[in-house]
This record gives sequence, C-alpha cells and structure tokens, in this order.
Amino acid sequence: GAGVSQSPSNKVTEKGKDVELRCDPISGHTALYWYRQRLGQGLEFLIYFQGNSAPDKSGLPSDRFSAERTGESVSTLTIQRTQQEDSAVYLCASSPRVSLETQYFGPGTRLLVL
Amino acid sequence: SQKIEQNSEALNIQEGKTATLTCNYTNYSPAYLQWYRQDPGRGPVFLLLIRENEKEKRKERLKVTFDTTLKQSLFHITASQPADSATYLCAVGGATNKLIFGTGTLLAVQP
Repeated sequence: GAGVSQSPSNKVTEKGKDVELRCDPISGHTALYWYRQRLGQGLEFLIYFQGNSAPDKSGLPSDRFSAERTGESVSTLTIQRTQQEDSAVYLCASSPRVSLETQYFGPGTRLLVL
Repeated sequence: SQKIEQNSEALNIQEGKTATLTCNYTNYSPAYLQWYRQDPGRGPVFLLLIRENEKEKRKERLKVTFDTTLKQSLFHITASQPADSATYLCAVGGATNKLIFGTGTLLAVQP
C-alpha cells in the first residue's frame, strides 16, 4: 500500500509569507506527527495527533506555527510570517493503533525561506 | 534537559567488517529505544525497537543492545556492505509515544 506522502516536496518562499505543508498519512493510522529537521541536525518534535484526543503541541516553536488534522486523515502544518530560520525539512510520520511506537515517515517538504 | 548523543563524526569502515554505532542518553528513562536509517533527501526508515526490559535484539545482520544502567545503546551491522551507507538515527520514547531523536551518525562503508 501507499506510504506517507507529503506535498509540496520543495517550497521556496519569501520572508514574511505564509506557507502550508500537507501530509497524507498511511490509511488507518491513528497517530500523526510533525518534525522539523535542520541541515545536519536531528529531528525536532513539533506536534502529535492521536485519534480524537487533543493534539500535543508542546514542540511548536512559536505561535507562528499551527497544525490541523481532519479526523484520522490529512494534516496541514501552517507557518505564518515565515522567517529565514524556518528553513528546514519538515517531516511527517504516522503510526497504527496496534503499534504506536513505530513511526512511518514521509519524504519531507524542503522549505527555503529567502 | 533530555539529551540524546550520537557520534557526530562519520564512521568509515571496510566492506565486510562490523559497524558499531553508539547512542547515549541523559536525563531520561525511556520505555523503549529505536534505530532508524535515513538516506539523503529521504525520511527516516524504522529498523529496530528494543524495550527497557530487553538487553539485546537482532534482525538479520542488525543487532541492538540496550543498557539502562549505562544509559546507552549500541547498534551493530555485521558483514557491512556499501549499501548500508547512510545516516543512522537513535530515538528514545515512552508512554506518550513522542520520540526524542539524536542527531545521527553517518556510516560510510568502503568497497
């Protein structure tokens, strides 16, 4: 079956613009995560959705970042008034209910803020 | 604060040898630890999970150990191949299923 997909694969934007990144998790996966990976660095947790529970937003770096998820399907990560330090790869992952510890990652969206 | 440390320097080994990567963690008592492989331009791919009550786990040419006293995991690839060249990420997790990742170690297997 299809894996986690993300779009766009690359995004170049100007400082101050808003961007919206999309994640389509594996069908049936109840958990969905967003991470940020700066060049040469590890993954930085941003937000976690699990079923109908309130999302864990503890990793969002500022109020310019927000994310939504529709039921147990697609999620969007929105960055408002982008800054150059927002340039990174944004990775999405999903997990099935029966194995919440294992995360399946998408290919990421490479964001460059000029 | 919680910290996951992996060798920041690249590990270069000859084909056929065993590669050993280290992951150390501080200020955390994880319920489990995972290893992922990441190729350039791609998302991480899950390899192995080991729980706090397990000492060792194997999968084909891969072996992971977990020492909760030393707060350390070792990741071994036996009979390494050039195709094993990638960045390997260590991650720890607990009841919330949020993972804390290390920065990864780049492995280069020379033919």
